[in-house]
Amino acid sequence: AQTVTQSQPEMSVQEAETVTLSCTYDTSESDYYLFWYKQPPSRQMILVIRQEAYKQQNATENRFSVNFQKAAKSFSLKISDSQLGDAAMYFCACTNRDDKIIFGKGTRLHILP
Amino acid sequence: DTAVSQTPKYLVTQMGNDKSIKCEQNLGHDTMYWYKQDSKKFLKIMFSYNNKELIINETVPNRFSPKSPDKAHLNLHINSLELGDSAVYFCASSHTGQGYGYTFGSGTRLTVV
Repeated sequence: AQTVTQSQPEMSVQEAETVTLSCTYDTSESDYYLFWYKQPPSRQMILVIRQEAYKQQNATENRFSVNFQKAAKSFSLKISDSQLGDAAMYFCACTNRDDKIIFGKGTRLHILP
Repeated sequence: DTAVSQTPKYLVTQMGNDKSIKCEQNLGHDTMYWYKQDSKKFLKIMFSYNNKELIINETVPNRFSPKSPDKAHLNLHINSLELGDSAVYFCASSHTGQGYGYTFGSGTRLTVV
């Protein structure tokens, strides 16, 4: 069974600074996908970034990038130049080709002005 | 145009009542899901349907019954509501096996009093 662990229930970062959210996962699949979802106070679930496990290159979307360490089963999210609108719950998630996504328990990110 | 729409957004009801939540997607996806998010923000899959066929049926009380009239619609009916059913219920959809993640609806906050 797949599991996803986010060890930081809450984090805070100063506006314009960089923050890294941690995630580890466990899966027996050889082919899988990893995601970071953002849930702002509006409660809408928004896909931030996606990584295909067979690709070694780390995914990047504007200010968001990941550090994917396949052997260590680690998938951290780096947010550069943090903005007030980045304040949200962030969920790390993992799925295989059956598309059943398993989510971590989330990290609540606070942005300090 | 809303990609995945859920109705209603809020639902307050008394214990013992029966209620339904509707979900529709216009993305042409072949798989739809129901997730439950509890008060601690933990997201847990309940059901998934692929082309109207039940694929995933997690350990959920049989008071919960999903119905998929076609691949664009997945409704959730809940009988004999209990206090513990209070949560946010998310509908989502995806293309099976593509690994692009889900597109989520905006959620339905169910409060049982």
